[in-house]
Amino acid sequence: DAGVIQSPRHEVTEMGQEVTLRCKPISGHNSLFWYRQTMMRGLELLIYFNNNVPIDDSGMPEDRFSAKMPNASFSTLKIQPSEPRDSAVYFCASSPGTWGETQYFGPGTRLLVL
Amino acid sequence: RKEVEQDPGPFNVPEGATVAFNCTYSNSASQSFFWYRQDCRKEPKLLMSVYSSGNEDGRFTAQLNRASQYISLLIRDSKLSDSATYLCVVRSGYALNFGKGTSLLVTP
Repeated sequence: DAGVIQSPRHEVTEMGQEVTLRCKPISGHNSLFWYRQTMMRGLELLIYFNNNVPIDDSGMPEDRFSAKMPNASFSTLKIQPSEPRDSAVYFCASSPGTWGETQYFGPGTRLLVL
Repeated sequence: RKEVEQDPGPFNVPEGATVAFNCTYSNSASQSFFWYRQDCRKEPKLLMSVYSSGNEDGRFTAQLNRASQYISLLIRDSKLSDSATYLCVVRSGYALNFGKGTSLLVTP
């Protein structure tokens, strides 16, 4: 069974460029989460979707960040324009329930903004 | 103040040792508790859930003290493969709140 799939696995870009991260959740899971992990702040929840609808985006740092989930099998996280302080590992996780009891994480996207 | 606090370590222990990690959480209304494991440059993976009565999974024992808002993980007979970062996780509503993790290095 395929787990959560994320692409790209690594991204190096220059400040000001647009970055799009992609996630395919586990089939049948109806909750999807985007997290960011840094040494300083640990794992932080950015946004939570349930049944493709954004429920809580209070963790999105600022307007430069946006996320979409056009269908049950695909989500994107976009940063435009990117800044060096956005450098982090971005994880997507999915969960079979509404309450995120057990979350299954993708391998993450390592983003470096120069 | 972060919702989940952990000692970052690192804990360096020899193979076969017993090691304990602790964490505290601030939201008394938290509903569920977990330990996740994260290997270097990998994603977090669920290690075990934590129940008030305490629970054991092989060499791993987890305890929860709701009154003190304190969670622990005990690893007995440490193996080299136990080297990882252990994340204390607390659920409030749909959100999982992660501690920053405790680093464990088991040495030969």
